[in-house]
Amino acid sequence: QKEVEQNSGPLSVPEGAIASLNCTYSDRGSQSFFWYRQYSGKSPELIMFIYSNGDKEDGRFTAQLNKASQYVSLLIRDSQPSDSATYLCAVLKSSQGAQKLVFGQGTRLTINP
Amino acid sequence: SAVISQKPSRDICQRGTSLTIQCQVDSQVTMMFWYRQQPGQSLTLIATANQGSEATYESGFVIDKFPISRPNLTFSTLTVSNMSPEDSSIYLCSVYPIGREEKLFFGSGTQLSVL
Repeated sequence: QKEVEQNSGPLSVPEGAIASLNCTYSDRGSQSFFWYRQYSGKSPELIMFIYSNGDKEDGRFTAQLNKASQYVSLLIRDSQPSDSATYLCAVLKSSQGAQKLVFGQGTRLTINP
Repeated sequence: SAVISQKPSRDICQRGTSLTIQCQVDSQVTMMFWYRQQPGQSLTLIATANQGSEATYESGFVIDKFPISRPNLTFSTLTVSNMSPEDSSIYLCSVYPIGREEKLFFGSGTQLSVL
C-alpha cells in the first residue's frame, strides 16, 4: 500500500463547477496535510494546509480532513481554466527522528471552458 | 516564503558523466531537501541536507551516486554521478523557511536529460 494515494486522473471539470480532489494516507499518526499545485514544467506550489479535522477555507479552495477515515480532500469552487494543473497531496511523516513530506502521485485536473 | 534559486535550470548530459546542481536560499534554513520527479511521476525524497553534518539518504538512494554538500545555512549542492538515462528527471531543492515550519517551499528545479 502506498503511503499517500491519489487518483491520477485526468479529472475534467467544466468551468464554474466544483472540482473535488481526493487523497488517502496510510499512517494513522500523521498530523499535517498539504495540497500543492504544479503547472506543467513548473515546480510545486503550496496552496493549502490543514492540521485539524473538518474544513478549512481559503478563497475558492477548501481543504477537508477526516483523520478517522485517513482521508483528505481539496475542493475548488467556481473552477477556472487557470486551475488546470496537477494537484499533489502531501503528508508529513516522522521517520528516524526527522520529519519528511511524502507525496501522492498527483491528480491531473483540466477545467474546460 | 523563501526565494530558492537553482542552477542549472536544465541540462543535457552524456551517459557516464556527472552533474552538480546548486541551490541557493535567500535566508538561513536548518534543513534543505532534495527531491526527484521522474517523468509523469510524483516527488520522491532523495536526501535531507543539514549544515555541518552528513546528509541523510532515503531508501534507494546512496551517497556515492548522489553526493550532497551543505557548506553553510543558505547553500547546498547535489551531484548526480555516473549518469544513465534512468537519471533523467527533474531535481528539486526545497526548504522550510524560518517561521513557516512544516510548509515546504520548492526551488524552480533542474530538468536533467541523460543521453
